[in-house]
Amino acid sequence: ETGVTQSPTHLIKTRGQQVTLRCSSQSGHNTVSWYQQALGQGPQFIFQYYREEENGRGNFPPRFSGLQFPNYSSELNVNALELDDSALYLCASSSNRQGTYEQYFGPGTRLTVT
Amino acid sequence: AQSVTQLGSHVSVSEGALVLLRCNYSSSVPPYLFWYVQYPNQGLQLLLKYTSAATLVKGINGFEAEFKKSETSFHLTKPSAHMSDAAEYFCAVSDLYSSASKIIFGSGTRLSIRP
Repeated sequence: ETGVTQSPTHLIKTRGQQVTLRCSSQSGHNTVSWYQQALGQGPQFIFQYYREEENGRGNFPPRFSGLQFPNYSSELNVNALELDDSALYLCASSSNRQGTYEQYFGPGTRLTVT
Repeated sequence: AQSVTQLGSHVSVSEGALVLLRCNYSSSVPPYLFWYVQYPNQGLQLLLKYTSAATLVKGINGFEAEFKKSETSFHLTKPSAHMSDAAEYFCAVSDLYSSASKIIFGSGTRLSIRP
């Protein structure tokens, strides 16, 4: 069974640029959630996708957007990057969108905005 | 709204000593509670979870946590610390009010182990 994978591992972008992060969910999982973890803080929920539709969103501006594909993999897109967007971005998958189902996290993508 | 508060951003113990990491939760419904561990430059690994079954939950690597409703606490313990336990630990609650199964994390506690 393959776990949650994310790409790239690290990347550096310049303020104002756009970035796309990718996540492959664990086999059999149809729900993907994205979290932002700033340095020294706990992860913060960005949004969740369930069967290719956004299923809930945290307190993040619209320049954070996402997609989920028929194979349940997902992308996180961030436009007009700001310095404060520098963080570890974590993807988590689960077999159901309900809160009672366990989420499995990937290793994360470290984004640095200069 | 549901939330968790971790008491102590940094805990240091000697190798072989008891580990106690404190977490208090706020929830008006029976919560689903978790402890996650994060090693440097890695993602999150689930240590254990409470889902309203037994109040004493055993997890991986010798960790356990006790759900105490009267104290709204879910503290993490390990009888004897090992050097490999040095990491960041997050207490978390599943937001059952939301249509999305989001997890609400505490701010984390960094555990250091002294030789």
